[in-house]
Amino acid sequence: GIQVEQSPPDLILQEGANSTLRCNFSDSVNNLQWFHQNPWGQLINLFYIPSGTKQNGRLSATTVATERYSLLYISSSQTTDSGVYFCAGNLWGNEKLTFGTGTRLTIIP
Amino acid sequence: GAVVSQHPSRVICKSGTSVKIECRSLDFQATTMFWYRQFPKQSLMLMATSNEGSKATYEQGVEKDKFLINHASLTLSTLTVTSAHPEDSSFYICSAGGLEALAKNIQYFGAGTRLSVL
Repeated sequence: GIQVEQSPPDLILQEGANSTLRCNFSDSVNNLQWFHQNPWGQLINLFYIPSGTKQNGRLSATTVATERYSLLYISSSQTTDSGVYFCAGNLWGNEKLTFGTGTRLTIIP
Repeated sequence: GAVVSQHPSRVICKSGTSVKIECRSLDFQATTMFWYRQFPKQSLMLMATSNEGSKATYEQGVEKDKFLINHASLTLSTLTVTSAHPEDSSFYICSAGGLEALAKNIQYFGAGTRLSVL
């Protein structure tokens, strides 16, 4: 199966700061996804982004499939952005998702 | 749309008892459901994949007799942790998808069940 590594593992920022989270994957993936897991455990899908760039409000993501990495950008961080961010991917023709190691983001007021 | 309900959200049980967790798709037919386990401060690990009306496919290292999965209808899958022990304490998350969603690799996630075995 594919290996998915995320960096940094932990990130503590002041409210209003910007951040970049990285996801590296070991093999070509069919669809790269970013999730936010809130403090209660609920997973919320942020982006489906097999390639290119997408933006949704203060969040944007870029995937460079040929170089097997994806970046998640969070601008003007708010305390509600705190939680764990996971990227996940699956191999072509395989519906099983492999989750990355996660980045735990803490936004301090 | 595409809501997955997971129940209970939290359960505390004594060692040796069995615990059943339900995962329901409320507004779509879930041809496939997935069960994940997440230990504290770790990532989600896929335990098994279940297709409606078929036996579940378990990932390597997951005991099928320990974690019984039933997917008897297109809207309900259950995970039963049999003879639970403290090491089974974890956060269990289900996800589901219909044919159209899965073709796009989309899964809809439940809110999770936190199991604590005393």
